Amino acid sequence: DGGITQSPKYLFRKEGQNVTLSCEQNLNHDAMYWYRQDPGQGLRLIYYSQIVNDFQKGDIAEGYSVSREKKESFPLTVTSAQKNPTAFYLCATKPSRAGYEQYFGPGTRLTVT
Amino acid sequence: DAKTTQPPSMDCAEGRAANLPCNHSTISGNEYVYWYRQIHSQGPQYIIHGLKNNETNEMASLIITEDRKSSTLILPHATLRDTAVYYCIVRVTQGRDKIIFGKGTRLHILP
Repeated sequence: DGGITQSPKYLFRKEGQNVTLSCEQNLNHDAMYWYRQDPGQGLRLIYYSQIVNDFQKGDIAEGYSVSREKKESFPLTVTSAQKNPTAFYLCATKPSRAGYEQYFGPGTRLTVT
Repeated sequence: DAKTTQPPSMDCAEGRAANLPCNHSTISGNEYVYWYRQIHSQGPQYIIHGLKNNETNEMASLIITEDRKSSTLILPHATLRDTAVYYCIVRVTQGRDKIIFGKGTRLHILP
């Protein structure tokens, strides 16, 4: 997991509530990513940010929002518009230098009932 | 990014070499082959990557065929802790740098 913190490990919410998942890193990496993983499936990209104050939609951005006000932090908000929010959410970071891999955090398992 | 094909699951006896295949027949000349693994309920972990030459590190070896249309990840002496889902990914290392994860291969190490 390195210097990537995602908390809490497990999160429970009622349907219709917005919830914000935190991702903090002390690796001084420029790029940060949010992925979603459903049981038995691969990872799907929600949002990514290459630099502070800039972010781009991934493949499944609908119902999610992000901010990148600091290099160290890339919080993800799951809004009530997300139809199936229950999933395992993974944050990743990467240095801007080419050839380096992404490092993943431990993940947050969100359950919405 | 090119698409990859992996078997959904494999078994390997503890202490033996685990050979995980991956097909990537549409790989482009500037795309690398990356391998990650994910132990249950944890984030994916980088293992190794290569362009066209075989690569080896402390975790594994990567064998890429000469035409680059397929590769094999080798765990030389598998242990129970190697039980995980292994993802083979092809991607360029610049641009959007999005990683497309497929379903991977679920490797079971048998005691």
